Amino acid sequence: DGGITQSPKYLFRKEGQNVTLSCEQNLNHDAMYWYRQDPGQGLRLIYYSQIVNDFQKGDIAEGYSVSREKKESFPLTVTSAQKNPTAFYLCASKTRDRRGDTQYFGPGTRLTVL
Amino acid sequence: GIQVEQSPPDLILQEGANSTLRCNFSDSVNNLQWFHQNPWGQLINLFYIPSGTKQNGRLSATTVATERYSLLYISSSQTTDSGVYFCAVERGDSWGKLQFGAGTQVVVTP
Repeated sequence: DGGITQSPKYLFRKEGQNVTLSCEQNLNHDAMYWYRQDPGQGLRLIYYSQIVNDFQKGDIAEGYSVSREKKESFPLTVTSAQKNPTAFYLCASKTRDRRGDTQYFGPGTRLTVL
Repeated sequence: GIQVEQSPPDLILQEGANSTLRCNFSDSVNNLQWFHQNPWGQLINLFYIPSGTKQNGRLSATTVATERYSLLYISSSQTTDSGVYFCAVERGDSWGKLQFGAGTQVVVTP
């Protein structure tokens, strides 16, 4: 089946540690996105990538880093510089089309900092 | 940036009732999508609807782009319709970057 997978589903981290969240897609989409969701709120964009080896900061990039070495993969690292990392993280992808298209989301990773 | 406002913030429905959710946006958009987030957090695409009207089963949506709003209609609601409904918009120059509203929390009671 084509789709987006994220792992792990739940992640616990001690303060001061970096963690990496995985996002893989087999939809052959060019563009990929990372969003953060806090309780009772909408999603906010962290980083996005339109094509391999290229990525751009979103609205809340501070304390996060990404890489895009393969079309299928867009991992997100939550660094110790992120002051309030406990949240639900969602990855998405879409075809690169200026006319607009539907974004498809993965199941998400719940990160808790202890 | 573009502002997206959804109303109402919360909605409690009895099974079988109809409802309308609204999304207002502050600027012209290239893309508008409605999503349903289930209790486990999964976001499901409902509609890609930058303008016009679409229907999918008991759900339908209308976007009036010139007046900068979109409506999502739920008819004959079922308990499985519970969850959060999000409207998200994309500006023409933003390459897929979606701006989300805060969502409408819907609870359908038996």
